[in-house]
Amino acid sequence: EAGVAQSPRYKIIEKRQSVAFWCNPISGHATLYWYQQILGQGPKLLIQFQNNGVVDDSQLPKDRFSAERLKGVDSTLKIQPAKLEDSAVYLCASSFTSGASYNEQFFGPGTRLTVL
Amino acid sequence: AQSVSQHNHHVILSEAASLELGCNYSYGGTVNLFWYVQYPGQHLQLLLKYFSGDPLVKGIKGFEAEFIKSKFSFNLRKPSVQWSDTAEYFCAFLPSGTYKYIFGTGTRLKVLA
Repeated sequence: EAGVAQSPRYKIIEKRQSVAFWCNPISGHATLYWYQQILGQGPKLLIQFQNNGVVDDSQLPKDRFSAERLKGVDSTLKIQPAKLEDSAVYLCASSFTSGASYNEQFFGPGTRLTVL
Repeated sequence: AQSVSQHNHHVILSEAASLELGCNYSYGGTVNLFWYVQYPGQHLQLLLKYFSGDPLVKGIKGFEAEFIKSKFSFNLRKPSVQWSDTAEYFCAFLPSGTYKYIFGTGTRLKVLA
């Protein structure tokens, strides 16, 4: 079974530039999560999709971050414009369905973003 | 605020030593509890989980964790560690009825051969 795919694996940009990350979840997984993991911290949930609808985006900095999941499969996370404090690993995870009746989250390899 | 505390940021053990990693959560209601592991160069993966029933849960690779509700704790244990257990370990919880997983800051374990 193919895992969660993410690209790119690494990205270096200057502050105020834009960047986009892509995630392809495991086939058949309805729920998709984006996490931000700053060095020395645990993953922090940014946004959760159930199919193509947003379940929770309470921790997404909406003035600069946006995410979409068109057609309920792939997802993109965008930062525009980037700030130094956005340097982090961005993790994508998917599960068969959402947490109320538990299904394991499977994580992708992450995208390491460095903002200079 | 809902949060998870992992008391040890770095742990160094020799092979065959016993392991206990502390985890305490801050939430007054029912929770689901998890330990995740990230081996060097690999993805985060689930080690074990607690939803209900027996508070002592067993996971992969000989790990176990005990949920003590009165202490809001979910400590991870292994009686005898191996060099291959070198990894970063994250405790997480999911407030019942919600979708927001809350992770701790992680503990880096290094096992010396």
